[in-house]
Amino acid sequence: DTAVSQTPKYLVTQMGNDKSIKCEQNLGHDTMYWYKQDSKKFLKIMFSYNNKELIINETVPNRFSPKSPDKAHLNLHINSLELGDSAVYFCASSSHQAINEKLFFGSGTQLSVL
Amino acid sequence: DQQVKQNSPSLSVQEGRISILNCDYTNSMFDYFLWYKKYPAEGPTFLISISSIKDKNEDGRFTVFLNKSAKHLSLHIVPSQPGDSAVYFCAASAVESGSARQLTFGSGTQLTVLP
Repeated sequence: DTAVSQTPKYLVTQMGNDKSIKCEQNLGHDTMYWYKQDSKKFLKIMFSYNNKELIINETVPNRFSPKSPDKAHLNLHINSLELGDSAVYFCASSSHQAINEKLFFGSGTQLSVL
Repeated sequence: DQQVKQNSPSLSVQEGRISILNCDYTNSMFDYFLWYKKYPAEGPTFLISISSIKDKNEDGRFTVFLNKSAKHLSLHIVPSQPGDSAVYFCAASAVESGSARQLTFGSGTQLTVLP
């Protein structure tokens, strides 16, 4: 039973479209995240979110928005997709934001914008 | 400006020998460091961590060393096994705004263990 699952695994779409990536965790964690793995392979935080606080990386365009219907889900919505949005997006969760937090990652969504 | 750097994109090691993966950081506020392992088509999985109050942490075949003065940490795997072949990410953590913590990752090192 997958702890952090994200769908779809692959997403190919045209520039200008709006798309969503879904993420669900069954670990009972309080905090969820979205990371982007760019072309240079760095994993960069986009958002972290718990039921009290949304923290947005200031470099993330406002075309990207996280939406959390409940504690177990954090979906990523992307409006007006651009070529530069092509990347692998990882959802993750952790039990809390303490010093020894361990992130549990989903398997990633490969987004290709044509 | 990348605060966590893994300058070796790849490393090949013979089975049974030691693998040493290196990581450098620039932010002196980092106080917790982690290593993640990633297989193809999977997400990264936690491997081992170390607090800045320690200089070594060992877990089975895996040992992480931290040199705060040099802002350098390394992951030693001994003996290396073919199943260790994966991308290894170094990550560092510091308290950001308020009480939030965020992990900053390096770009990863592809380790290949040759049978």
